[in-house]
Amino acid sequence: EVLLVESGGALVQPGRSLRLSCAASGFTFDDYAIHWVRQAPGKGLEWVSGITWNSGSTGYADSVKGRFTISRDNAKNSLYLQMNSLRTEDTALYYCAKGGDLVATVNRDFFDHWGQGTLVTVSS
Amino acid sequence: EIVLTQSPGTLSLSPGERATLSCRASQSVSIGYLAWYQQKPGQAPRLLIYGASRRAAGIPDRFSGIGSGTDFTLTINRLEPEDFAVYYCQQYGSSRLTFGGGTKVEIK
Repeated sequence: EVLLVESGGALVQPGRSLRLSCAASGFTFDDYAIHWVRQAPGKGLEWVSGITWNSGSTGYADSVKGRFTISRDNAKNSLYLQMNSLRTEDTALYYCAKGGDLVATVNRDFFDHWGQGTLVTVSS
Repeated sequence: EIVLTQSPGTLSLSPGERATLSCRASQSVSIGYLAWYQQKPGQAPRLLIYGASRRAAGIPDRFSGIGSGTDFTLTINRLEPEDFAVYYCQQYGSSRLTFGGGTKVEIK
């Protein structure tokens, strides 16, 4: 069974940093791109960032480019999102999502499994 | 960036009826790179359809997808009580992955 478990969400002040983690199991982690998708309270889904199986390529939404950094550790079956210069509009539930295509690029992928999310609240 | 517009915003139907959901793209989506997700309150999204028409593993055959270019449709035949939820489309044919705003299917 594919399992994705996010952690690291918290209440933080604007301008501060936070690091999210996602622990994966139940599949060959280094065969797939992995992504972060967020959902603001009561709103729709927004793709945030993705990383290919070998970390060779990453992608970011314009709204987070230059502030967020995605990374992965295949030895630990883990995905990370370093979030800097946080803004109130970054407040959301952040999901870790497994790419659906084997060895996909980050902009040619859909999401076949999702974690339950970790909540990030940016407020003073 | 490809903008996806879903309609209607809300669909009020009774169990047993058919639901037809639309997803329109601002420009052509490469080779039908379009997926559909279902999300129930308090739950993560679940993949229903990818490649415009391919059902994901374990998805009942009452869910079907069709479309190409800029117009895509998700059809749910014979709505079951567990099908009342919000549905999102997502394109993966351009440099930025984008979602539609969602269609809520509610019980009439």
